[in-house]
Amino acid sequence: DVKVTQSSRYLVKRTGEKVFLECVQDMDHENMFWYRQDPGLGLRLIYFSYDVKMKEKGDIPEGYSVSREKKERFSLILESASTNQTSMYLCASSLLFPGVKGETQYFGPGTRLLVL
Amino acid sequence: KQEVTQIPAALSVPEGENLVLNCSFTDSAIYNLQWFRQDPGKGLTSLLLIQSSQREQTSGRLNASLDKSSGRSTLYIAASQPGDSATYLCAVTYTGGFKTIFGAGTRLFVKA
Repeated sequence: DVKVTQSSRYLVKRTGEKVFLECVQDMDHENMFWYRQDPGLGLRLIYFSYDVKMKEKGDIPEGYSVSREKKERFSLILESASTNQTSMYLCASSLLFPGVKGETQYFGPGTRLLVL
Repeated sequence: KQEVTQIPAALSVPEGENLVLNCSFTDSAIYNLQWFRQDPGKGLTSLLLIQSSQREQTSGRLNASLDKSSGRSTLYIAASQPGDSATYLCAVTYTGGFKTIFGAGTRLFVKA
C-alpha cells in the first residue's frame, strides 16, 4: 500500500513565523503535490513537483514556497505565516501525471494549521 | 473558467436508503473524473475513477456515472450504512495542462 505521511497533524504558529510542512511518500512516486482545503472551496493546488528539484506553481502559490531535494520528500514553506493561511494542508503523490489512464493521487492525512 | 460543483453540500439520510450525490463540471475536455471519500480530519481516499471514454464504474455498493456532454456525474450509494458517513469529493482532471479541479464536497450523514 502507498503511504503518504505528513510531519504534523496539528500545528499552531504565530503571525510572521516561518513554517515548514513536511511530506514523505514511500512508493518512489515521481509526482508530489501540496493542496490547501478550506470550507466551501474544495482543494486548491499550491505547488506540485514532477521530479527532484523541479517545481511548478499551482493556482495559489503566493506566500508559499516548496523544496524537493529528495524524491520521497516534498516540503511546503510558509515564509512569513499570516492568519489567512490558517487551513488544512494536504500532500499527495502519484506515480504518473494526472490524466494518464487510471492514474490517481494518494493523499496524506493532512496538517491542520492555525496561525494566530 | 473550469469549475466543479457538488450538490447538495450536506445530506442526512436514514440507514438503508439509496442515495445519489451530484457533481457538475464546466468544459467537457476531460481526461477523467474521480470520486474520493474523506473522513473527518483525514486525507482523501479514492473510491472510483471514470476515464473520459467510459460511462460508469462500479465498486461494491457504489456506482458512478459520467455524462461528458452534459457535464455531470453521479455517485449512487446503495443501502447506505452509518459507516458511509463522510465527505464525498468529486475531482475532474482536464486536458491541456493536466489540471485536477476538486469540488467542495458533499457531507453525508447516515443515521442508524
